[in-house]
Amino acid sequence: QVLLVESGGGLVKPGGSLRLSCTASGFTFGDYYMSWIRQAPGKGLEWVSYTSSSATYYADSVKGRFTVSRDSAQNSVYLQMNTLRAEDTATYYCARSTGNGYLGGFYFDFWGQGTLVTVSS
Amino acid sequence: NLVLTQPHSVSESPGKTVTISCTGSSGTVASNYVQWYQQRPGSGPTTVIYHDDHRPSGVPDRFSGSIDRSSNSASLTISGLRTEDEANYYCQSYDAGKWVFGGGTKLTVL
Repeated sequence: QVLLVESGGGLVKPGGSLRLSCTASGFTFGDYYMSWIRQAPGKGLEWVSYTSSSATYYADSVKGRFTVSRDSAQNSVYLQMNTLRAEDTATYYCARSTGNGYLGGFYFDFWGQGTLVTVSS
Repeated sequence: NLVLTQPHSVSESPGKTVTISCTGSSGTVASNYVQWYQQRPGSGPTTVIYHDDHRPSGVPDRFSGSIDRSSNSASLTISGLRTEDEANYYCQSYDAGKWVFGGGTKLTVL
């Protein structure tokens, strides 16, 4: 079955950096696009990034600070987070994206369990 | 920018039917597909409706989705409510290079 496992979360000081990993199994990783979505404690879901074979999109709140990469050999996608702020504190979910060819047709069909990032001094 | 508005909470009794709305602030909700995700406490979200009204394999047919173009809104309807349906539900769509979520609706089954 599809399994997405996030790791790399933890406590980091404001201005610091952290790299999250998401390792996928149960499907052909190279056939799918991947996304990151976050959820601040007690709050709703906020889309962070979407990466396809040709482009990566970022939410305005993280653009210029976060970078996504993927390693098909490791079946993994990564989220490099720099210049972290208190408002970046959240559980970060990795999600597989699937759809029917145009961006508006893509959605998040499988999600991981998330990894908690806490930005605090 | 698209904003999706959901009621903060709804409650209903077991066996009854509940509908959760998701209203778009601008443009039209019908311009792009709407998805619905269920999130139980302590767990990652799961998809219950995709592309407006499609159910993933394994989601019971008690869950259904619809679009009302006249009111620029989408709806998730759950019939025959069960206690295990108690969760937060989020609608989601797309707008100009961004994927947008509604604020979420807490469903209480009591």
